[in-house]
Amino acid sequence: SQQGEEDPQALSIQEGENATMNCSYKTSINNLQWYRQNSGRGLVHLILIRSNEREKHSGRLRVTLDTSKKSSSLLITASRAADTASYFCATSPGGTSYGKLTFGQGTILTVHP
Amino acid sequence: NAGVTQTPKFQVLKTGQSMTLQCAQDMNHEYMSWYRQDPGMGLRLIHYSVGAGITDQGEVPNGYNVSRSTTEDFPLRLLSAAPSQTSVYFCASSQGNTIYFGEGSWLTVV
Repeated sequence: SQQGEEDPQALSIQEGENATMNCSYKTSINNLQWYRQNSGRGLVHLILIRSNEREKHSGRLRVTLDTSKKSSSLLITASRAADTASYFCATSPGGTSYGKLTFGQGTILTVHP
Repeated sequence: NAGVTQTPKFQVLKTGQSMTLQCAQDMNHEYMSWYRQDPGMGLRLIHYSVGAGITDQGEVPNGYNVSRSTTEDFPLRLLSAAPSQTSVYFCASSQGNTIYFGEGSWLTVV
């Protein structure tokens, strides 16, 4: 079963706008990660937030985590056409994932030049 | 540094045929895993390994076998291909929490 549910399923914006994607999960987690997948390619790790963290930044990315609501959001600021991709949240219940992550269904982001 | 390498990139199989998807990593990672990705389903874990000689089942293991004889290699075997196994397969490796994915293998079973 899928742990994460992502919202929206698809998002279309103009270059320069901000993009916000949301992820909800069902069980307790140790950390939550976000990955990007360009069309026809493998997934690339973006950022990890631990269960005891509420917010984390990496360049134009901002991730929040609300463990009481079992939800996370990924904000991409000042989006670029190159940000066009699918974005997935993934959760791990334990301290080390051992390569076992539970993925959401993903949000397809399209950034128009 | 190649990272995670998967072969073949594309494969068409007939129902009932068997085949092996190859996966190799050159990062000396302990953990390796196989996922399948279907439209609207995200990625689902098939099998994983925490080290040479150790494998375990994931969420959707039926119809697949794995082995881990070396740290570098983690092949995925389809025993008797079925149309339901048409999917994109991703191999991954990790040492900590960040997972590194291969580029994927597109498999069609007709």
